[in-house]
Amino acid sequence: KAGVTQTPRYLIKTRGQQVTLSCSPISGHRSVSWYQQTPGQGLQFLFEYFSETQRNKGNFPGRFSGRQFSNSRSEMNVSTLELGDSALYLCASSMGGTGGYEQYFGPGTRLTVT
Amino acid sequence: AQSVTQPDIHITVSEGASLELRCNYSYGATPYLFWYVQSPGQGLQLLLKYFSGDTLVQGIKGFEAEFKRSQSSFNLRKPSVHWSDAAEYFCAVGPLGYGGSQGNLIFGKGTKLSVKP
Repeated sequence: KAGVTQTPRYLIKTRGQQVTLSCSPISGHRSVSWYQQTPGQGLQFLFEYFSETQRNKGNFPGRFSGRQFSNSRSEMNVSTLELGDSALYLCASSMGGTGGYEQYFGPGTRLTVT
Repeated sequence: AQSVTQPDIHITVSEGASLELRCNYSYGATPYLFWYVQSPGQGLQLLLKYFSGDTLVQGIKGFEAEFKRSQSSFNLRKPSVHWSDAAEYFCAVGPLGYGGSQGNLIFGKGTKLSVKP
């Protein structure tokens, strides 16, 4: 099975712009979660989507949003970029139902805001 | 609030030596527990997980971890470290969210492992 894929791998944007990141989960997985990783704050949960519905959300401003499509692929969008949004954005997929399921991570998208 | 503590920011061990990375969590019930490894510029790879049952769990690459409820710990061990194990290791807790959501992992700050030849 192919792993989690994320595109693009690297992005450079200017403050004030917006950006869209894409994530394709492992085939058969219905849950997609997004995390932000920075040297200062570490790994922080952004949100989770399951069957096209946001099921869980972290403590991030409304500039961060996401969606999930019927094929489980997910996108996250950041509007009005700030310098502090520079980070590695990781997507993870899992089976997602009730009970315990491990998450599998993609390679990440490195976003640099100048 | 739920939290995960990895007390060691950086550990250096000699190749062939044993390794133990510490992880303590704060949570109101028995959580799901995970260890992930991250090489520079890469995503996270799952090493092992604990959901229930036997408190000693085996993972990939020769790693194991032991869940100790009384100590709220989930320490990662390896009997003999290889140079390729140099990476950053993250302990994570997976709380049950609304509707059984498993999507919200809480991570520790990570322990960077260096391996001396």
